[in-house]
Amino acid sequence: GQNIDQPTEMTATEGAIVQINCTYQTSGFNGLFWYQQHAGEAPTFLSYNVLDGLEEKGRFSSFLSRSKGYSYLLLKELQMKDSASYLCAVTDSNYQLIWGAGTKLIIKP
Amino acid sequence: IAGITQAPTSQILAAGRRMTLRCTQDMRHNAMYWYRQDLGLGLRLIHYSNTAGTTGKGEVPDGYSVSRANTDDFPLTLASAVPSQTSVYFCASSDRDDTGELFFGEGSRLTVL
Repeated sequence: GQNIDQPTEMTATEGAIVQINCTYQTSGFNGLFWYQQHAGEAPTFLSYNVLDGLEEKGRFSSFLSRSKGYSYLLLKELQMKDSASYLCAVTDSNYQLIWGAGTKLIIKP
Repeated sequence: IAGITQAPTSQILAAGRRMTLRCTQDMRHNAMYWYRQDLGLGLRLIHYSNTAGTTGKGEVPDGYSVSRANTDDFPLTLASAVPSQTSVYFCASSDRDDTGELFFGEGSRLTVL
């Protein structure tokens, strides 16, 4: 079966750095997405990786290793507003999007 | 209207009743999707449409139907609601039906009693 694994919950301190991991097992691969979802709101797009390596976008970076079926989202200089759930999703060989259950990130002052 | 609009925002419904969740987008995106989100689970695809006039079944289509009469509208109907359909429903759209970024509506919280 197809599977996306992420930690259920993480806690970090304001101003620090946190890395949220995502491992996947899917039938084929056509890209990996990260979305942010604040409580009670809709998911919003953060990043897309289709080739191995690091994509940097401001305070957020996303890394992909296709051979290891692994990605991480790196958040730097954490702010209270970064408290949210972070969703990892993979597009499989049929271009179907498979979603992880999300990682709830709690930021403490 | 800017982006995707869903209605209603929240609804409590008696089991056995018929319910239609509305979704309208103004971005002229070809692809549209309905997901449900339940605690502890990832987003699960109910139905999708790659272009006006076509629809397809997702991972959890039973008990739901959709139509795509035009580009902008993609309503989701529960013919006879059951308590297991209690969930938050998100409509989304994309300008591509393969690897495009998804734009989500604000969600419809449905409780079936």
